[in-house]
Amino acid sequence: DVKVTQSSRYLVKRTGEKVFLECVQDMDHENMFWYRQDPGLGLRLIYFSYDVKMKEKGDIPEGYSVSREKKERFSLILESASTNQTSMYLCASSLSGILVDTQYFGPGTRLTVL
Amino acid sequence: AQSVTQPDIHITVSEGASLELRCNYSYGATPYLFWYVQSPGQGLQLLLKYFSGDTLVQGIKGFEAEFKRSQSSFNLRKPSVHWSDAAEYFCAVGWRDTGFQKLVFGTGTRLLVSP
Repeated sequence: DVKVTQSSRYLVKRTGEKVFLECVQDMDHENMFWYRQDPGLGLRLIYFSYDVKMKEKGDIPEGYSVSREKKERFSLILESASTNQTSMYLCASSLSGILVDTQYFGPGTRLTVL
Repeated sequence: AQSVTQPDIHITVSEGASLELRCNYSYGATPYLFWYVQSPGQGLQLLLKYFSGDTLVQGIKGFEAEFKRSQSSFNLRKPSVHWSDAAEYFCAVGWRDTGFQKLVFGTGTRLLVSP
C-alpha cells in the first residue's frame, strides 16, 4: 500500500513564526502536492512538484513556499505565519499524471496560527 | 474557468436506504471526473473516476457514478448505505493545462447516516 505521511497531525504556531510542514511518500512517486482544506471551500492547490527540485504554483501560492530536495519528501513552508493560514493542510502524491494515476493523500496537518 | 458544484452541504440518509450525491461541473471539453471520500481524521481516498467509455462507472465500497454530458453532471450513488459510509465526499474535475494536469475540487458534501 502507498503511504503518505505528514510530520504532525496538529500544530499550533504564533503569528510571524516560520512553519515547516513535512510530507513523505514511500512509493517512488514523481508528483507531490500540497493542498489546504477549508470548510465551504473544499480543497485548493497551493503548490505541486513533478520532479526533484522542481515546483509549480497552484491556485493559492501566496504566503507559501515549498522545497523538494529528495524525491520522497515535499515540504511546505510558511515564511511568516498569519492567522488566515489557520487551516487543514493535505499532502498528496501520484506516480505520474493525476488524470490517469491515482492521487494518494496523507492524513492532514491541522495548523492553528494564534 | 473550470469549476465544480456540489449543491448539498449536508445529507442525512437512513442506514440501508439509497444515496445520491450531486455534482455538476463546468468544462468545455470532455472532462476527467473523480469522486473522493474523506473519513473522519483521514486523508482523501479515490472512490472512482471517469474519463471515457461507459458512462456508468463502478468504484470501491459499492459506489457508482453516472456521467451525463447533457446535464454536465456526475452524480454518485449507492443502493444501500452503511453506517461506515458516514464521511465527506468530494467531486473533482481534471484537465490538462499547458503541459500540467490539474484538478479542481468541489466544496464537499457531508453524509450523515442515521440508524
